[in-house]
Amino acid sequence: GAGVSQSPRYKVAKRGQDVALRCDPISGHVSLFWYQQALGQGPEFLTYFQNEAQLDKSGLPSDRFFAERPEGSVSTLKIQRTQQEDSAVYLCASSSIGEQFFGPGTRLTVL
Amino acid sequence: AQRVTQPEKLLSVFKGAPVELKCNYSYSGSPELFWYVQYSRQRLQLLLRHISRESIKGFTADLNKGETSFHLKKPFAQEEDSAMYYCALRGLGGGADGLTFGKGTHLIIQP
Repeated sequence: GAGVSQSPRYKVAKRGQDVALRCDPISGHVSLFWYQQALGQGPEFLTYFQNEAQLDKSGLPSDRFFAERPEGSVSTLKIQRTQQEDSAVYLCASSSIGEQFFGPGTRLTVL
Repeated sequence: AQRVTQPEKLLSVFKGAPVELKCNYSYSGSPELFWYVQYSRQRLQLLLRHISRESIKGFTADLNKGETSFHLKKPFAQEEDSAMYYCALRGLGGGADGLTFGKGTHLIIQP
């Protein structure tokens, strides 16, 4: 079956622009996670949803970052007024019980 | 705070030689430990988790609570093992389900 998909795969934004990154989890997966992976680093947890409820957003680096999952399936990570330090790969993962399955990531470059 | 440390950024060994990728963690409770692997141009995928105590692709990892380590081992390296390896931790029993990753070790198997 289809795995986790993310779009766009690459995004270039000018500093100050808003961006929206989409994640389509595996069908039926209750849990959805967002991670940020800077160059040369491991993924860092941003936020976690169980169905449509955002249960943990402790990893969001600032109030410019906002995530939603209104119908408990597709999720969007929005970054407002992008800064150069936001440049990273943004990974989405979904799980039902235990194992998290990762998407291919969206590489965001802020110029 | 929970933390995962992978002291080697790069590890290069010859084909057929033993491999050990080190992982140490700090966590106040009982964690669940994982190894994830990312092959070139592929997405992050689970290699193994300590609770299953499996051997996957010849790799094993034992959780040593006394030394707070979860080193990944393989007795005879193969060229197809070349990849980025990430050790990750998740707290058990409540709290966020998000994973805490190490910075990763780039394993290169030389012919």
